Amino acid sequence: GENVEQHPSTLSVQEGDSAVIKCTYSDSASNYFPWYKQELGKGPQLIIDIRSNVGEKKDQRIAVTLNKTAKHFSLHITETQPEDSAVYFCAASPGGRAAGNKLTFGGGTRVLVKP
Amino acid sequence: SAVISQKPSRDICQRGTSLTIQCQVDSQVTMMFWYRQQPGQSLTLIATANQGSEATYESGFVIDKFPISRPNLTFSTLTVSNMSPEDSSIYLCSAGLGRADTQYFGPGTRLTVL
Repeated sequence: GENVEQHPSTLSVQEGDSAVIKCTYSDSASNYFPWYKQELGKGPQLIIDIRSNVGEKKDQRIAVTLNKTAKHFSLHITETQPEDSAVYFCAASPGGRAAGNKLTFGGGTRVLVKP
Repeated sequence: SAVISQKPSRDICQRGTSLTIQCQVDSQVTMMFWYRQQPGQSLTLIATANQGSEATYESGFVIDKFPISRPNLTFSTLTVSNMSPEDSSIYLCSAGLGRADTQYFGPGTRLTVL
């Protein structure tokens, strides 16, 4: 089955700096890669996703890049703000109903943005 | 996106009892999922619940321990049966929208078993 590794497990940045979280996956059939933000006491919130036919996607201060050859994808947060402090999870899915649309999650990265 | 609610938001239960968690979606969805998140850990898929068919369980999870119902396209329940302290976790439901591989999560149910 799919295995997703996520690094680093914790990340502390100064407000205004950039944060980068990296994930690798094992199943070459995976073609959908979402990122979730989970604040304390809440459920994961989808913040951005990318499909295998795209190499990069951007939404305001967040961007995701995908390298299918190397089987890794990354989340970039620019101009970090204290409200970006949360746990971030990457995930991978082979997509499609036949595969059950199952998501395999990385271990999570706890991001702390220091004012 | 979708608005997903769960009941209860939290509960404290005694060993040996059972708890049923409800998940409600504000739109009709084919696929719903149940996850467990142990304290400080990542999410682990328990089962996939499709309306009109039996739930599909992941390795390590069995129907006798985690029976699931999916009576219609907006609702599902997960029961945690014969609970032990090791079942203390956050239980999350999600709904698959759009191309169905895009999942949106509920707020979770925080379960403590004494």
